Amino acid sequence: GQQVMQIPQYQHVQEGEDFTTYCNSSTTLSNIQWYKQRPGGHPVFLIQLVKSGEVKKQKRLTFQFGEAKKNSSLHITATQTTDVGTYFCAGPGNQFYFGTGTSLTVIP
Amino acid sequence: KAGVTQTPRYLIKTRGQQVTLSCSPISGHRSVSWYQQTPGQGLQFLFEYFSETQRNKGNFPGRFSGRQFSNSRSEMNVSTLELGDSALYLCASRTVITGELFFGEGSRLTVL
Repeated sequence: GQQVMQIPQYQHVQEGEDFTTYCNSSTTLSNIQWYKQRPGGHPVFLIQLVKSGEVKKQKRLTFQFGEAKKNSSLHITATQTTDVGTYFCAGPGNQFYFGTGTSLTVIP
Repeated sequence: KAGVTQTPRYLIKTRGQQVTLSCSPISGHRSVSWYQQTPGQGLQFLFEYFSETQRNKGNFPGRFSGRQFSNSRSEMNVSTLELGDSALYLCASRTVITGELFFGEGSRLTVL
């Protein structure tokens, strides 16, 4: 079946450092979505990418969708303590296939 | 607009019991899906309902079941609870067109 993997599983950074999480799907995706889950919270939608090679920015966050539409990345510039949480990618199919998630810890 | 509402938020059950969780989607959303979240397994898809019909089902045993009512509210039921069923159960609704999922705060189930 379809699998969506993310790396790294955990990432600890000093506040101000950059952070990147990578998402890889075993199959081509029609689109990809990113969600953020704060500790003790629920996943919250961040963005959706649809086009091959698409790049979108939200303030310090940059999202990319690969040319082959099988991978994606999320890059955070100059992390802040408010960025703490787990970041999931998700690809739609017969169901939503969520990535394994990357847990980000920001050390003040 | 009110968000997705899940009840109860927390519950404790013992092995062998059954549990029913409820989810009220955002008004106008006809799709409701359920997910099990555990530290080791991440977000696992349980099933999705649309207009009272189950569209898709994840790889879970038959002890996990659900339904959707005409007002789009959904329930999921887990029978004969096992220790491994302890998890956060998340419900999400969406408009089929956009595909963006709106999650509820979840129901945290502990099985003793």
